[in-house]
Amino acid sequence: GAVVSQHPSWVICKSGTSVKIECRSLDFQATTMFWYRQFPKQSLMLMATSNEGSKATYEQGVEKDKFLINHASLTLSTLTVTSAHPEDSSFYICSARTVAGGNIQYFGAGTRLSVL
Amino acid sequence: DAKTTQPPSMDCAEGRAANLPCNHSTISGNEYVYWYRQIHSQGPQYIIHGLKNNETNEMASLIITEDRKSSTLILPHATLRDTAVYYCIVSVNNAGNMLTFGGGTRLMVKP
Repeated sequence: GAVVSQHPSWVICKSGTSVKIECRSLDFQATTMFWYRQFPKQSLMLMATSNEGSKATYEQGVEKDKFLINHASLTLSTLTVTSAHPEDSSFYICSARTVAGGNIQYFGAGTRLSVL
Repeated sequence: DAKTTQPPSMDCAEGRAANLPCNHSTISGNEYVYWYRQIHSQGPQYIIHGLKNNETNEMASLIITEDRKSSTLILPHATLRDTAVYYCIVSVNNAGNMLTFGGGTRLMVKP
């Protein structure tokens, strides 16, 4: 299957700082990428849909000014958690869709964010 | 997207077939059935998908009932590494559709 790389895999930061997470499709072009968040013992919750060259579409309840998404190229989307607070500590996962082979979403390995 | 219902947990003996059921009684004609799994602390892994015909790949088989209201994912020879949460998702197959994850089935493969 297609490969999606997510970096970093783990980040610890102080409250009030910003953290950037990168999501790259390594062997295919992705016009659409998705960002999810997963709290312990819960399922994945979609945060936003990112389309190359346009503004992201955020799910209800997700603050767009706090979770900045940039999808500047067909292989890279970034999520920046601005002014992070302890309640933002979570597992953030990106996915990218490949049109070839049936519109399958492939997921990155995830980024575990811990805000102190 | 149609809602799916899966048992919260299942056990399977190593080397035996694991049969994971999923009900999707409100599925629409243009919605596919997708299966993903998530091993602890990793991103979900795509397994298989189908519309109405049974499908098989190197990982698993997908059996969809004729009325499409339910399906079964079959892992023919489960190993300990197949221990994971398995998600059944129904969604239209187009470039922009999102996946809505439910609770999934926690499969525990035991020696």
